[in-house]
Amino acid sequence: AQSVTQPDIHITVSEGASLELRCNYSYGATPYLFWYVQSPGQGLQLLLKYFSGDTLVQGIKGFEAEFKRSQSSFNLRKPSVHWSDAAEYFCAVGVTNFGNEKLTFGTGTRLTIIP
Amino acid sequence: EAQVTQNPRYLITVTGKKLTVTCSQNMNHEYMSWYRQDPGLGLRQIYYSMNVEVTDKGDVPEGYKVSRKEKRNFPLILESPSPNQTSLYFCASMRGRRDTQYFGPGTRLTVL
Repeated sequence: AQSVTQPDIHITVSEGASLELRCNYSYGATPYLFWYVQSPGQGLQLLLKYFSGDTLVQGIKGFEAEFKRSQSSFNLRKPSVHWSDAAEYFCAVGVTNFGNEKLTFGTGTRLTIIP
Repeated sequence: EAQVTQNPRYLITVTGKKLTVTCSQNMNHEYMSWYRQDPGLGLRQIYYSMNVEVTDKGDVPEGYKVSRKEKRNFPLILESPSPNQTSLYFCASMRGRRDTQYFGPGTRLTVL
């Protein structure tokens, strides 16, 4: 069965510093991968997605992610974080199974930004 | 504006009192799903629908029902809510296979 692991439950970063959030997936077929962000009390907003092609994908708000098949990883990066980036981040793998189009989510990484 | 809407956004109820959470999308999407979000567990799929009158169970369907009588609407029904169904619920829709899922704003449900 598919699974997603986000090994860091909570990360604290200084404003202006770089950021990398880790995501590892397990899926038998070619994955399609997503990063979503959830601000406090808000819904889920799509940051970026990988379906095929270029393994480095650009998203909104200056985020990017790199798909590495050999490492089964899809890490999220940002060169310089802003206080408004404080939120919870979810990595997800899209699964197609007998007609069900489902997202399997990781447990999330909470990002705190300090001045 | 393309969007997924849910109502109510917040609901406090008591054990056993039937309730319905509505979900509607205006994007003419084929696929719709319900997820629940619990601390430390991420989001888990409850039910999904591939089209009108076509629904099936996700990973955690116990205690829930759904229906899809119109393409735009996908209500979640709790016939007899219990405290373990206290959670944050999200509805999502997507246009077709291997596509992006768009989420509603969430419904925070508390069952006393």
